[in-house]
Amino acid sequence: KAGVTQTPRYLIKTRGQQVTLSCSPISGHRSVSWYQQTPGQGLQFLFEYFSETQRNKGNFPGRFSGRQFSNSRSEMNVSTLELGDSALYLCASRIRAIDTQYFGPGTRLTVL
Amino acid sequence: GESVGLHLPTLSVQEGDNSIINCAYSNSASDYFIWYKQESGKGPQFIIDIRSNMDKRQGQRVTVLLNKTVKHLSLQIAATQPGDSAVYFCAENILLVNTGGFKTIFGAGTRLFVKA
Repeated sequence: KAGVTQTPRYLIKTRGQQVTLSCSPISGHRSVSWYQQTPGQGLQFLFEYFSETQRNKGNFPGRFSGRQFSNSRSEMNVSTLELGDSALYLCASRIRAIDTQYFGPGTRLTVL
Repeated sequence: GESVGLHLPTLSVQEGDNSIINCAYSNSASDYFIWYKQESGKGPQFIIDIRSNMDKRQGQRVTVLLNKTVKHLSLQIAATQPGDSAVYFCAENILLVNTGGFKTIFGAGTRLFVKA
């Protein structure tokens, strides 16, 4: 079974731009979560989607948004990029909220 | 507040020795704990998990111990190999009583260096 895939793997943007990241979960997994990972803050939870509904949200500004499609694929969007948004964005999927999460390789976003 | 933390940010061990990575948690309602390994340039990889009704679980070369009395979790790696060099995260699944869902909180991570 294929693992979680994320595209693109690397991205360079400038301040003020917006970006959309994509995540394809493991087949059969209906829950997708997004995390931001930085050296200073570690793994910070962004949000979780299950069956196209956002079920849980972390403490990030409204510039960070996401959605999930009927095939469980998910996208996250960051608008009006700031330098501090430079990070590794990780997507994780699981069958249900109670189950183990499996992570993708991440998208490395650099904001200049 | 709720938190999952690690006692040591870095651990250096000799190849062949056993490694012990520790983690403290603060939420008594947590019922599920996971250890992840993250190598440079990759996403976290599941290693082993344990539910709160257990105090020990073994995998291949790894053992997780859970002490609910002191809210402590540890990962033991037997015969540590150079390929074990990575950052190890503990994670805690907390039941959200309002929604019935769960949220996962990750610790800060411990970097394991294996000396050949």
